[in-house]
Amino acid sequence: AQTVTQSQPEMSVQEAETVTLSCTYDTSESDYYLFWYKQPPSRQMILVIRQEAYKQQNATENRFSVNFQKAAKSFSLKISDSQLGDAAMYFCAYHSSGSRLTFGEGTQLTVNP
Amino acid sequence: DGGITQSPKYLFRKEGQNVTLSCEQNLNHDAMYWYRQDPGQGLRLIYYSQIVNDFQKGDIAEGYSVSREKKESFPLTVTSAQKNPTAFYLCASSMTGATEAFFGQGTRLTVV
Repeated sequence: AQTVTQSQPEMSVQEAETVTLSCTYDTSESDYYLFWYKQPPSRQMILVIRQEAYKQQNATENRFSVNFQKAAKSFSLKISDSQLGDAAMYFCAYHSSGSRLTFGEGTQLTVNP
Repeated sequence: DGGITQSPKYLFRKEGQNVTLSCEQNLNHDAMYWYRQDPGQGLRLIYYSQIVNDFQKGDIAEGYSVSREKKESFPLTVTSAQKNPTAFYLCASSMTGATEAFFGQGTRLTVV
């Protein structure tokens, strides 16, 4: 079974600084998607960014970017110019056509003013 | 507007009672999921369905039941067999294959 591991239960960053959240996963499949979701205090799950495994280029969405290392099965999220509104729980997730959607345990991000 | 709707937002249940949480989507998604989230914790999969009239148990299915009679609907029943049902429940849906999931706003269930 596929597993997703987030080794940082909590992280903090100063406003306007950069922070990187880590995620590793385990799979024997070659075709899959990886996602980062954000869950603010409202508890609504919001898709932040996604990466197709067959694409070598790292995905970028405004201040959010990923470092996808397929051989190492690593998928970290970098948040640049952190804002107070970025404070939330962040979940890494894996999905393939042959398996169910699997989430990591989450990283609680605090942004300090 | 297309989306996924959970109702109610807050639900209170007396011990020993069954209760059903509603999840409806108009995104024409084949797959639907139910997750449980406890305070400060991650998402744990209860049940998922990839096609109408078929569903599979997730990691914590005991004390829960589901049905998938229509593509748009995937209700979750929390039975009296669930020993600690107080939690936040999230429903999600996705297209077939490895695509992102869209989430409802969640239902907060409290046993009183």
